[in-house]
Amino acid sequence: GQNIDQPTEMTATEGAIVQINCTYQTSGFNGLFWYQQHAGEAPTFLSYNVLDGLEEKGRFSSFLSRSKGYSYLLLKELQMKDSASYLCAVVDSNYQLIWGAGTKLIIKP
Amino acid sequence: IAGITQAPTSQILAAGRRMTLRCTQDMRHNAMYWYRQDLGLGLRLIHYSNTAGTTGKGEVPDGYSVSRANTDDFPLTLASAVPSQTSVYFCASSDSSELAGGWGEQFFGPGTRLTVL
Repeated sequence: GQNIDQPTEMTATEGAIVQINCTYQTSGFNGLFWYQQHAGEAPTFLSYNVLDGLEEKGRFSSFLSRSKGYSYLLLKELQMKDSASYLCAVVDSNYQLIWGAGTKLIIKP
Repeated sequence: IAGITQAPTSQILAAGRRMTLRCTQDMRHNAMYWYRQDLGLGLRLIHYSNTAGTTGKGEVPDGYSVSRANTDDFPLTLASAVPSQTSVYFCASSDSSELAGGWGEQFFGPGTRLTVL
């Protein structure tokens, strides 16, 4: 079956760095998305990776290793507003988009 | 510019009733989607439309129907609601010519919180 694994919850300190992992077992791969979702709100797009390596976008970076079926989202200089759920989603070989359950990130002062 | 809107914001519905959730976008995106989001589960695709006049079934289509008469509107209908349809429903749109086999960056509406009793 198809599966995406993310930690359910993580806690980090304001100003610190946190890495949110996503591992996937899918029938093929055609890209990986990260979305941010604040409590009670809609998901918003953060990043897209289709090739191996690191994509940096301000305080947020996303990494992909296709051979390992692994991605991570790296958040630097954490701010209280970064408290949210982070959703990983993978496009498989049939171009189905499969969503992980998300990682709830709690930022403490 | 509103982006993508949904109505109602929330609704409590008696089992067996018919309900239509509305979704409108003003970004002229060709693709639109309906998802449900339940605690502990990932977003699950109910139905989608790649362009006006066409629709397709997603992962969990049973009990739901959609139509796409024009580019902007994509209503979702529950013909006879059941308690297992209690969920938060998100509508989304994308320019499917971009990224990942047509999925594109999706823009989500604010959601409809539906409770079926």
